[in-house]
Amino acid sequence: SQTIHQWPATLVQPVGSPLSLECTVEGTSNPNLYWYRQAAGRGLQLLFYSVGIGQISSEVPQNLSASRPQDRQFILSSKKLLLSDSGFYLCAWSTWDSYPGANVLTFGAGSRLTVL
Amino acid sequence: AQSVTQLDSHVSVSEGTPVLLRCNYSSSYSPSLFWYVQHPNKGLQLLLKYTSAATLVKGINGFEAEFKKSETSFHLTKPSAHMSDAAEYFCLYMDSNYQLIWGAGTKLIIKP
Repeated sequence: SQTIHQWPATLVQPVGSPLSLECTVEGTSNPNLYWYRQAAGRGLQLLFYSVGIGQISSEVPQNLSASRPQDRQFILSSKKLLLSDSGFYLCAWSTWDSYPGANVLTFGAGSRLTVL
Repeated sequence: AQSVTQLDSHVSVSEGTPVLLRCNYSSSYSPSLFWYVQHPNKGLQLLLKYTSAATLVKGINGFEAEFKKSETSFHLTKPSAHMSDAAEYFCLYMDSNYQLIWGAGTKLIIKP
């Protein structure tokens, strides 16, 4: 069966420090991968998605970047964190199927980032 | 442009009473629709999905949703609320081009 791992679960970082959140998927190949953010009082914001190794699409201009060095690995990074980067970050994966309804998103457990 | 509206940001019900969480979409096409649940500080979990088969969809934990094309709605219901249902619920729309549109979420509060 497929599983998704996301770490670290919680992180407290000072402003200006770097960030690396990692997500890996097991039990499937060539998944679509996504990074979402939930800020306090706001809904789900899609940050990045990837349909293959090295293929990253950015949805929102921001202080963050994403990379996909391996098929089932998706990394969210920042060189210098801002206070506004605080939030709950969620990684998700889906298969690609010609029928849209088959492309169910499965989420990781999330990473709580607090920037002080 | 397609959109998803969750009509209530908060819904409060007493334990043992019915739950209704509303979701409306705007689209000219037949969508795929999903409901997800998120407990505090957890990831999102799929409750159920509609993919143009039966219009009444049954999900996990006693939830179900009915797709009504004439009303462009996909409301989530449960006959009897349990304390463990307290969470935030998200409606998700996926169009034929695989574009994902999320509702803003509804926080369900269960009163003892």
